[in-house]
Amino acid sequence: DSGVTQTPKHLITATGQRVTLRCSPRSGDLSVYWYQQSLDQGLQFLIQYYNGEERAKGNILERFSAQQFPDLHSELNLSSLELGDSALYFCASSVKASGAYEQYFGPGTRLTVT
Amino acid sequence: GEDVEQSLFLSVREGDSSVINCTYTDSSSTYLYWYKQEPGAGLQLLTYIFSNMDMKQDQRLTVLLNKKDKHLSLRIADTQTGDSAIYFCAETSSGNTPLVFGKGTRLSVIA
Repeated sequence: DSGVTQTPKHLITATGQRVTLRCSPRSGDLSVYWYQQSLDQGLQFLIQYYNGEERAKGNILERFSAQQFPDLHSELNLSSLELGDSALYFCASSVKASGAYEQYFGPGTRLTVT
Repeated sequence: GEDVEQSLFLSVREGDSSVINCTYTDSSSTYLYWYKQEPGAGLQLLTYIFSNMDMKQDQRLTVLLNKKDKHLSLRIADTQTGDSAIYFCAETSSGNTPLVFGKGTRLSVIA
């Protein structure tokens, strides 16, 4: 158990809909990352937050948005869903240990768009 | 942009050593990581190495880094069936920054 929690575990929804994925980082970790894992694209970085502020942006579509709340949990909002958005969405939080930052991943949310 | 390449499949017999290879293109990569993903699970951090190191050993795992060739390898000694999983190589050029992942190597261990 990495200490990073994600809900829900599975999500099935229709095209055009909007969903919210939730992530709670490990206690004390200020950084939260979102990654998307799909068969064709592999693991791709979407967005990073640090202590409530957006820190870095990757290949995140305009239909997707995220935020990090004062209690450090984060939500990833996906709207106008398309079939191609079906993927595993991972959240990770990081901590500095032994001189390097270690990213710990949650169990993921599997999104299926029908 | 940065790119990380891995071979897609590796099959070994139980008790043998496994060597999973990775190459990266970003010469400013500072931290290189290995993650393990079992079916239906998240990514488990196995180990990492700084770019100023050549080798790191952690129990059955040995990481070798050839910075000149931008080549990283993960050796698993005495491979067990429980080691069957997908192994991802990842890099980042600085500390608290996003990781760039390879496509993963699926390791199958034959009993």
